[in-house]
Amino acid sequence: AQSVTQLDSQVPVFEEAPVELRCNYSSSVSVYLFWYVQYPNQGLQLLLKYLSGSTLVKGINGFEAEFNKSQTSFHLRKPSVHISDTAEYFCAVSDRTSGTYKYIFGTGTRLKVLA
Amino acid sequence: AAGVIQSPRHLIKEKRETATLKCYPIPRHDTVYWYQQGPGQDPQFLISFYEKMQSDKGSIPDRFSAQQFSDYHSELNMSSLELGDSALYFCASSPTGVKPDTQYFGPGTRLTVL
Repeated sequence: AQSVTQLDSQVPVFEEAPVELRCNYSSSVSVYLFWYVQYPNQGLQLLLKYLSGSTLVKGINGFEAEFNKSQTSFHLRKPSVHISDTAEYFCAVSDRTSGTYKYIFGTGTRLKVLA
Repeated sequence: AAGVIQSPRHLIKEKRETATLKCYPIPRHDTVYWYQQGPGQDPQFLISFYEKMQSDKGSIPDRFSAQQFSDYHSELNMSSLELGDSALYFCASSPTGVKPDTQYFGPGTRLTVL
């Protein structure tokens, strides 16, 4: 089964500074990767996804990620964060052992934007 | 745009009681997933349905069962509830589960077992 690793459990960053949230995946022939954001007491919202094609993926709210096959990484970046970006961020890989594709999530990174 | 609907949003039960969680997927989505998110943890896959048939099972206890109905809504039935079942339960739907694609998540049902 595939897996993803989020190395940072918490990332504090000052407002308007850049941020990178790290995600590494287990090597596989085909990899389908997603980043979701979860605000307190809410559901998961898709930020961006990589299924195929261009390795630089742009998402909502100014986020982007780069699929790097040689480093088995899919790090999430934003050039300038806002207070409203404070949330939990999950990297996920779509995996199929039988039947449908399901998500395997990383353990999450809590982004805290400081004023 | 229509989203995934879950009910109830909050549920409080006593140990050994039963609970039923409901999920209404986005129209024309053929796949429904259930995930469990414990406090401070990542969501864990429980079970999925494709075209109303159970498709894949994850770490779902035998005390839990689920089904998808003819109108595509799904229900997660939980019996003999334990304190450790307290969690946020998400339902997600996908346009098709047989290809890797976006899953759209509902707001979740927060289950508290006392």
